[in-house]
Amino acid sequence: QQQVKQSPQSLIVQKGGISIINCAYENTAFDYFPWYQQFPGKGPALLIAIRPDVSEKKEGRFTISFNKSAKQFSLHIMDSQPGDSATYFCAASIKAAGNKLTFGGGTRVLVKP
Amino acid sequence: GAGVSQSPRYKVAKRGQDVALRCDPISGHVSLFWYQQALGQGPEFLTYFQNEAQLDKSGLPSDRFFAERPEGSVSTLKIQRTQQEDSAVYLCASSFGAVDGYTFGSGTRLTVV
Repeated sequence: QQQVKQSPQSLIVQKGGISIINCAYENTAFDYFPWYQQFPGKGPALLIAIRPDVSEKKEGRFTISFNKSAKQFSLHIMDSQPGDSATYFCAASIKAAGNKLTFGGGTRVLVKP
Repeated sequence: GAGVSQSPRYKVAKRGQDVALRCDPISGHVSLFWYQQALGQGPEFLTYFQNEAQLDKSGLPSDRFFAERPEGSVSTLKIQRTQQEDSAVYLCASSFGAVDGYTFGSGTRLTVV
């Protein structure tokens, strides 16, 4: 059972544009929602994370929007740069249950110069 | 150390061979996780340690998979009688506490031929 569904699978954006990735979850007990960035041959690196008591969190060019009632959250990458070309994963966990992450399937982002 | 270190980076095993994958977490990190990442997919949870105690092994796919962390620092993931479906990248991650965001290593790419 895929508890975290991510879309799109891939996207192409022009330099300076906005990349938007969406995730939906099923388990209402999830209380921690991080986004990871992964480059080829590397492990995932934590980008930004949000708790469900907050509707939006911004760090630099990266913003998470969270909709608890819809059980959805999204990542917006503003002013996308070629160096942002990577695979992005959303994830969810229950912190009190050991914080094991359930990942989405990933979105491959290509930023064209 | 500065990051999570995994060895070997690449491992080719003949079907039926046993393999051992090593993880050196960040010094002082209490929690340690193992994930399996198939090609083009998100990581999937295997097992979790808090210090030397294995608190969750619900993600281990079969009894051929075994993980240990005897002194609460270095961890080893062992796969017995490898099969082709075991081919994947095995990622290790560590965190200071049970509820902190965690840092992934670059992984070990296992290919079973």
